[in-house]
Amino acid sequence: EPEVTQTPSHQVTQMGQEVILRCVPISNHLYFYWYRQILGQKVEFLVSFYNNEISEKSEIFDDQFSVERPDGSNFTLKIRSTKLEDSAMYFCASILDRDNEQFFGPGTRLTVL
Amino acid sequence: RKEVEQDPGPFNVPEGATVAFNCTYSNSASQSFFWYRQDCRKEPKLLMSVYSSGNEDGRFTAQLNRASQYISLLIRDSKLSDSATYLCVVRGGKLIFGQGTELSVKP
Repeated sequence: EPEVTQTPSHQVTQMGQEVILRCVPISNHLYFYWYRQILGQKVEFLVSFYNNEISEKSEIFDDQFSVERPDGSNFTLKIRSTKLEDSAMYFCASILDRDNEQFFGPGTRLTVL
Repeated sequence: RKEVEQDPGPFNVPEGATVAFNCTYSNSASQSFFWYRQDCRKEPKLLMSVYSSGNEDGRFTAQLNRASQYISLLIRDSKLSDSATYLCVVRGGKLIFGQGTELSVKP
């Protein structure tokens, strides 16, 4: 069964450093998403991406965040200068079209020290 | 008012019990409704979609009341393996998650 994959599974970084979280969505999917979940809190939408551009973003997704689909398979989330409060699980999701089920990757746990 | 609000939980029930989860949502324009299940530190996984006519999948029954903006999930004959956090999710493009209700099923 096709699945969304994410790397790394756990990333530890120092405050102020840049991190890139990587996702490989399901191959024929067209819409891509990033969500985050701070420990003990709800899953929050960050950004959606379609046709090589951002289609929607939340208030959390400020200038420190960017997304890219550099080739036909990877979908990346970059945080330019990490803060302590960026520590969270980051989930990538993909979907064939907007009315279908979103498939989530296993997540990357980001720890900012 | 929160966009999606769930019972705070946790629910601790014995095996075989019936347990009900409740959820309300604030945006009447929401298009689709779901229950997801999340195990500790894992990704959310779709449990079932929720339709206005109500729908059932084995021991799980979901109901939607658009007029009162209310969604429910009923689990009958609960199993140890049902222990997880249950997430009420609403879609209007992106997914909007409730904070989840933790369920612990004990022997």
